[in-house]
Amino acid sequence: SQKIEQNSEALNIQEGKTATLTCNYTNYSPAYLQWYRQDPGRGPVFLLLIRENEKEKRKERLKVTFDTTLKQSLFHITASQPADSATYLCALDDNTDKLIFGTGTRLQVFP
Amino acid sequence: KAGVTQTPRYLIKTRGQQVTLSCSPISGHRSVSWYQQTPGQGLQFLFEYFSETQRNKGNFPGRFSGRQFSNSRSEMNVSTLELGDSALYLCASSLTEGRDTGELFFGEGSRLTVL
Repeated sequence: SQKIEQNSEALNIQEGKTATLTCNYTNYSPAYLQWYRQDPGRGPVFLLLIRENEKEKRKERLKVTFDTTLKQSLFHITASQPADSATYLCALDDNTDKLIFGTGTRLQVFP
Repeated sequence: KAGVTQTPRYLIKTRGQQVTLSCSPISGHRSVSWYQQTPGQGLQFLFEYFSETQRNKGNFPGRFSGRQFSNSRSEMNVSTLELGDSALYLCASSLTEGRDTGELFFGEGSRLTVL
């Protein structure tokens, strides 16, 4: 069956450290993968998109990698800040023009 | 530029009733997608509309329906509400359709509670 897996347990890290979130997928061959941030009670906000022919994408303190062999994407936040605390969602296209989301990982950055 | 607007933000219904939720996309966006978000299941795709046509549909029963108007505004309707329909319903708009969807712009959602 098709699955997108993100660590359901919260990730707690200290301010200034690098946070690394994982997104694994099974039985999909996405043309691209996206990452979103969601704060409590708010809609998700787009962060980054990475295509299947791209290994890595960066935007300010954010970095995303995409390994189609491992069927995995890693999302990194360097020099993390308490304001980065939120739930992070990965999403991919399922080859039928739908964007499918993982359940998200909650990141907590403490001072 | 105004963002995606969803109304109402909160509503409470009882089992068996029906509900209509509204979504106004960003000006110029012709694609509107709807998602249901619950704590256990995450975001589940409901349907996508582009130029008043339903392009895609998720695995939800026929009680869930939607439509899109010529001005790209969209509505979704849930009939014969069940307790399990309690969720945050999110609408998202994008410039293009399909595999070149690019980023989705989400509204703040409509929080539905079914008693």
